[in-house]
Amino acid sequence: DAMVIQNPRYQVTQFGKPVTLSCSQTLNHNVMYWYQQKSSQAPKLLFHYYDKDFNNEADTPDNFQSRRPNTSFCFLDIRSPGLGDAAMYLCATRKTGGTNEQFFGPGTRLTVL
Amino acid sequence: AQSVSQHNHHVILSEAASLELGCNYSYGGTVNLFWYVQYPGQHLQLLLKYFSGDPLVKGIKGFEAEFIKSKFSFNLRKPSVQWSDTAEYFCAVAHNTGKLIFGQGTTLQVKP
Repeated sequence: DAMVIQNPRYQVTQFGKPVTLSCSQTLNHNVMYWYQQKSSQAPKLLFHYYDKDFNNEADTPDNFQSRRPNTSFCFLDIRSPGLGDAAMYLCATRKTGGTNEQFFGPGTRLTVL
Repeated sequence: AQSVSQHNHHVILSEAASLELGCNYSYGGTVNLFWYVQYPGQHLQLLLKYFSGDPLVKGIKGFEAEFIKSKFSFNLRKPSVQWSDTAEYFCAVAHNTGKLIFGQGTTLQVKP
């Protein structure tokens, strides 16, 4: 089945230690999104790739970076995680030219010690 | 700026009670509308969506929603809730850029 896959599902890191979260998709969608979701809050868009074009949200901290080496993969890099970065990180994809439905992955829960 | 408002932040119901969760959005153009559910400890799942056509949309698990354009609303309903419906519910709107705007969410607690 075509899907959005996130690895790992659970990630523990130490304060200040860089961490990378991975998202891959078999849907061949050209747009990929990264969201941060804290407990009992709505997902908050961090940035997205429209094909190879990176689009950062205005309020996304510089601590968060992203890479998209090809259509299928997208990475979220947190350069120096703080305690406040502990959250669920969601990846989503969308295909332009159709409906605006986004397909979400299962998320990676990040714990910062 | 576009926004989505969910009126109820926390709803407590007994099993078999009827459910209606309100959702209003502010955007005058063509919109696509979604309801997502997030069960405790799990990821977002799509409950139902509206793109065009019949404004009454049926989703999974007996949920339905009605798009009322004149009221900018997309309320979620279920005639008889179950304990397993305990979850967080998010209304979301996508406008023509494809960007999803989420409401703040409603926590539904169903008492057995």
